[in-house]
Amino acid sequence: AQSVTQLGSHVSVSEGALVLLRCNYSSSVPPYLFWYVQYPNQGLQLLLKYTTGATLVKGINGFEAEFKKSETSFHLTKPSAHMSDAAEYFCAVTRADSSYKLIFGSGTRLLVRP
Amino acid sequence: ETGVTQTPRHLVMGMTNKKSLKCEQHLGHNAMYWYKQSAKKPLELMFVYNFKEQTENNSVPSRFSPECPNSSHLFLHLHTLQPEDSALYLCASSQDISDYGYTFGSGTRLTVV
Repeated sequence: AQSVTQLGSHVSVSEGALVLLRCNYSSSVPPYLFWYVQYPNQGLQLLLKYTTGATLVKGINGFEAEFKKSETSFHLTKPSAHMSDAAEYFCAVTRADSSYKLIFGSGTRLLVRP
Repeated sequence: ETGVTQTPRHLVMGMTNKKSLKCEQHLGHNAMYWYKQSAKKPLELMFVYNFKEQTENNSVPSRFSPECPNSSHLFLHLHTLQPEDSALYLCASSQDISDYGYTFGSGTRLTVV
């Protein structure tokens, strides 16, 4: 079975600082991996996804994530935080063998200090 | 506007009430989903519909009853709920069940009193 662990329910950074949100997954078959963002009072929005090919994936709003199979990780990064990045971020995993269950992590709330 | 519209945005209901949540999408998607988002818990998949057919019921109590009359509309009928059912209920859609680029609605915040 697949599972997702997001380390840190809250992460606080200063505006302009590096953003690093951690995600580790467990999957017995090659995974598809996703990051979603949820702004207050809104639904989730897809930031980026990894299915196959290049392990460094670029998404919207300057975010990127790298699939590291040896570390079973898919951490989300952004070089310079902006106040508008404050939101909750969810990592999700599914199987690459046509299973359609998307399993979400518990989420990490990103706080950006002025 | 995300393309997926959920109504109402907020709902307060008593444990003996019957109410319905509505989800509508005009993205041409064929798969629709109900998720439950509770505080400090991961999103929980409740139901999946693909081309109007239910393909997943994730052990959801029978007090939640989904309905998908066509590919554009999804309902969640609620009756005799419990206070622990209070949560944000999110609807999502995708091209089909193999497409994981879900489009989510803004959710219905449900409070059961």
